Order: sequence, then structure tokens, then C-alpha cells
Amino acid sequence: QSALTQPASVSGSPGQSITISCTGTSSDVGGYNYVSWYQQHPGKAPKLMIYDVSNRPSGVSNRFSGSKSGNTASLTISGLQADDEADYYCSSYTSSSTWVFGGGTKLTVL
Amino acid sequence: QVQLVQSGAEVKKPGASVKVSCKASGYSFTSYYMHWVRQAPGQGLEWMGIINPGGGSTTYAQIFQGRVTMTRDTSTSTVYMELSSLRSEDTAVYYCARRGSSIGGYYYVMDVWGPGTTVTVSS
Repeated sequence: QSALTQPASVSGSPGQSITISCTGTSSDVGGYNYVSWYQQHPGKAPKLMIYDVSNRPSGVSNRFSGSKSGNTASLTISGLQADDEADYYCSSYTSSSTWVFGGGTKLTVL
Repeated sequence: QVQLVQSGAEVKKPGASVKVSCKASGYSFTSYYMHWVRQAPGQGLEWMGIINPGGGSTTYAQIFQGRVTMTRDTSTSTVYMELSSLRSEDTAVYYCARRGSSIGGYYYVMDVWGPGTTVTVSS
């Protein structure tokens, strides 16, 4: 199972919006609405930000949103804040009853 | 509150095995599957496998088949991940992460994470 494809880095200024893409195949991202997104600050464990493509867990800011089209999922962060600077990982359930992560995207808030 | 407590850091020689533990509290241990995920230094997350603490069934990532064993002890609400034939590339932080409930849409995510256990493989 190959890792999902994410851009290595994205950046934006405070208040702006950014979008991180996550591309897989019909055996994972495209085949199921089970894409999730995790935020990881340096030295910390990942934190769930989006589940089932577009749902936010309780407590996660509505500045975070998710979507999917075909084999590509996306995470959008609006109104960028300094604390959003972190690594972001997508994950998908797969047709092999396993999970796969993306390679991760480093978000820099300028 | 829901909590996952992992065992301490380990240093192993190439060819050895390591067994990492993850003790759960604050919820019904046998009602939630547990994932294991690792992260090599400066690298991304890598899914290793999942165990059902209720029945003990496991599913492993193909890349770890034959080298990883996940077990559980229901009497202590603890899951274990053992990785054998260690090599330098296995140096990483190993996380346990709870699979979400089948009720409420969290079933395909990792909703609670442990703090991680650093495993260093070096001669």
C-alpha cells in the first residue's frame, strides 16, 4: 500500500486560507468516505482534526474544513493563525481493511 | 478521562526485538480497537496494524508482516506491540492510538493517541 500523496509544504499569511491536497487511488481515498486529517505540532502526538472527509470533532475550530473529489481529498484552513503552524497528515481506510497515511505537509504561517 | 499510557524509551541492538506497551484507562478496553503507528525521525506517520482487544484479532500492514506481533492483556487493559529483527530503520517513535467508536462516525479514525515511545536501534 503506497502512501497517499501530499505536498511537502504550504504557507500562508495570518488571516489567509490555505488548502492541502491528499491524492490516493480508488482503493483508498476514492473508494471510501473515510478520509481523516491530523495535526501534529513538533514533539507532540497527532490530533484528529477532520474525520469521514468533512466532519469536525467536537472542539475543533470551524476554520478547518474537508472535502473530496474523486481520488483527492483536501483540507482547507481559513483565517490562518500562528498556532496552525504544524504538520498535517491525511489518512484513509483502504480496500485491504488497512489504513494508509499521506507523507505529511508542513504548514508555515508567514 | 480517556488516557493511553505507553512504556518508556528503549535502546536495542540490530537483530533484537522490542515490546512496547500501551495501557488504556477511562473507557471500556475491550470495546475499542487499537492502532499502532510509527514515525521515524523527521519522517511521516506510518500505519503498522490494529488489534481488537475484545477478541485478540489483528490486521498488520503488509510491510510489517512476519516481524510484528500485537497482543493484549484484558486483565490490565494493556495492548502490546512487539517488533522483531530490528534494524536501524526501525528507529522511531511508536504510538498507540484508539480506533473510534462505531457509534457517531469515528469508526475509521484514530481518536485518542498515546504520547509515543521512542525506540532507538543502534549497535
